[in-house]
Amino acid sequence: EAGVTQFPSHSVIEKGQTVTLRCDPISGHDNLYWYRRVMGKEIKFLLHFVKESKQDESGMPNNRFLAERTGGTYSTLKVQPAELEDSGVYFCASSHQKGWADTQYFGPGTRLTVL
Amino acid sequence: AQTVTQSQPEMSVQEAETVTLSCTYDTSESDYYLFWYKQPPSRQMILVIRQEAYKQQNATENRFSVNFQKAAKSFSLKISDSQLGDAAMYFCAYRLNNAGNMLTFGGGTRLMVKP
Repeated sequence: EAGVTQFPSHSVIEKGQTVTLRCDPISGHDNLYWYRRVMGKEIKFLLHFVKESKQDESGMPNNRFLAERTGGTYSTLKVQPAELEDSGVYFCASSHQKGWADTQYFGPGTRLTVL
Repeated sequence: AQTVTQSQPEMSVQEAETVTLSCTYDTSESDYYLFWYKQPPSRQMILVIRQEAYKQQNATENRFSVNFQKAAKSFSLKISDSQLGDAAMYFCAYRLNNAGNMLTFGGGTRLMVKP
């Protein structure tokens, strides 16, 4: 079974540019999550999809961040325009169901550097 | 605010020895799950062990075990017979049972294993 994949693995952009991160969850997982780790701090929750619907987006920092999951499969996270403080590692995770069985499986992350 | 504290930014252990990583958390809720995740240098974060808060018995997974002290809100991870492959960042996290699926993480502990 393929794990959670993320693309790209690294991205270096200039301040003010746009970047789109992609996450492919494990096949059949309805739950998809985005987290990020900024400047060696704690990993912070961004949002949670159940299929194509946003279940919880309380962690999204501001309206420069837009997450989508059209069709309930892969998800994209767009940052527009990117700011210096957006640099960090963005993790995606997926899980099959809620409750005790809801173990979240993480992708390798996308390291974003904004110059 | 809900928080997770890992007071040891770095730890080292001799191969074949035992090491304990500490984790404390702060929540007013009584129903939650606790997790330890491991992120090797290759960056894929994987679940090491999990514990349901209502269970008094400490979880064990092969060489990994936890010491769960609910009253003290402590959830330490013990690694026995440490191996070189155990070298990684270790993250402690919890998830409330009635407040969505988001994981709240600590800042991580980098474990080095000396041959």
